[in-house]
Amino acid sequence: NAGVMQNPRHLVRRRGQEARLRCSPMKGHSHVYWYRQLPEEGLKFMVYLQKENIIDESGMPKERFSAEFPKEGPSILRIQQVVRGDSAAYFCASSPRLGQGVYEQFFGPGTRLTVL
Amino acid sequence: LAKTTQPISMDSYEGQEVNITCSHNNIATNDYITWYQQFPSQGPRFIIQGYKTKVTNEVASLFIPADRKSSTLSLPRVSLSDTAVYYCLVGGGTGTASKLTFGTGTRLQVTL
Repeated sequence: NAGVMQNPRHLVRRRGQEARLRCSPMKGHSHVYWYRQLPEEGLKFMVYLQKENIIDESGMPKERFSAEFPKEGPSILRIQQVVRGDSAAYFCASSPRLGQGVYEQFFGPGTRLTVL
Repeated sequence: LAKTTQPISMDSYEGQEVNITCSHNNIATNDYITWYQQFPSQGPRFIIQGYKTKVTNEVASLFIPADRKSSTLSLPRVSLSDTAVYYCLVGGGTGTASKLTFGTGTRLQVTL
């Protein structure tokens, strides 16, 4: 009964490199969310995806950031040409197909990105 | 999404009951109230969710007054392991999955 899995747990990149973060949702979950958390702050929503579809990307920076959730395989958050300000913990959450009015998101352990 | 206001921090001794109150004056008719717990270097963990009156599970109780403009998370007999940040969120009433809006949360420190 595996929960949400994220890898890598820690990622170090130099400025200008690409960071690729992976998230495997819980079995049977078709909704994936990505959040970013800076130190001492709450999580900030980035993007919400279903299989092969981006539903809401209102929290994604306009440049350098992209996300996908392919038909097969994990969801991927990609950050191109990373800068020091991208250093943060990135959390993925998943939720099952929903009934009316009630939702619960299950979070992974996060990926801590450090940009040197 | 409704904005929430919580105390920044709280202190408690082990074995005491802790009540954390959250204000959400602009809560919508179909919004639910959900609380998450986050330990350092971990993702948030769902604690409890409710719509009105009182909800109780094995770890906490959630009290929601009739006007639903606030809610109180009650943790009975806290232990050192309950030291964490607690987030109050409102939303999710539309029937479809939606983004969660986290505030800064309440940092609970439990000591002996």
